[in-house]
Amino acid sequence: DVKVTQSSRYLVKRTGEKVFLECVQDMDHENMFWYRQDPGLGLRLIYFSYDVKMKEKGDIPEGYSVSREKKERFSLILESASTNQTSMYLCASSSLRSTQYFGPGTRLTVL
Amino acid sequence: GENVEQHPSTLSVQEGDSAVIKCTYSDSASNYFPWYKQELGKRPQLIIDIRSNVGEKKDQRIAVTLNKTAKHFSLHITETQPEDSAVYFCADSSASKIIFGSGTRLSIRP
Repeated sequence: DVKVTQSSRYLVKRTGEKVFLECVQDMDHENMFWYRQDPGLGLRLIYFSYDVKMKEKGDIPEGYSVSREKKERFSLILESASTNQTSMYLCASSSLRSTQYFGPGTRLTVL
Repeated sequence: GENVEQHPSTLSVQEGDSAVIKCTYSDSASNYFPWYKQELGKRPQLIIDIRSNVGEKKDQRIAVTLNKTAKHFSLHITETQPEDSAVYFCADSSASKIIFGSGTRLSIRP
């Protein structure tokens, strides 16, 4: 059974803080993804990675960066959090050309 | 750019009736079309998927149809039950990228 875990379920940060969201998968998947989910907007891709140390911008990369130093771990970084980054963040992983499996999500609130 | 349009955004059906959600995509290279169900407060879960070499796939009360010429695919739920209430997302995939529709909130009326 595929397992994708995220470091926090709920997170509250202040404007300007640096925020790290961690995602770990245990299925040796090549691809990992970070999405944010907002009401009425569905799932929007922030960044994805198809291999260690490789990353590609998604649809809304501004204000975010990512790190993939190990195959099983994909980190999303908010260099300087802003209130418009308050959202639900979902991590996912997949093998090549296959379905994505999602983590439980991290609800981030930026005050 | 590539996008996926999903309709309707909300859908309310009587328990026992059928529900249909439709998606249209734009990327001709798309070859994999999953559907996800997200219950309140939970992560999206894959419920059914279809690949471009197949026109229809069925799994108990759930079916998906694909029309590659028209670039649209649909989710059909028959004999709806209260536990079908959720948000449903379609997606289309090519290479290692996947694009989601904006979601459909399905409510089942008792």
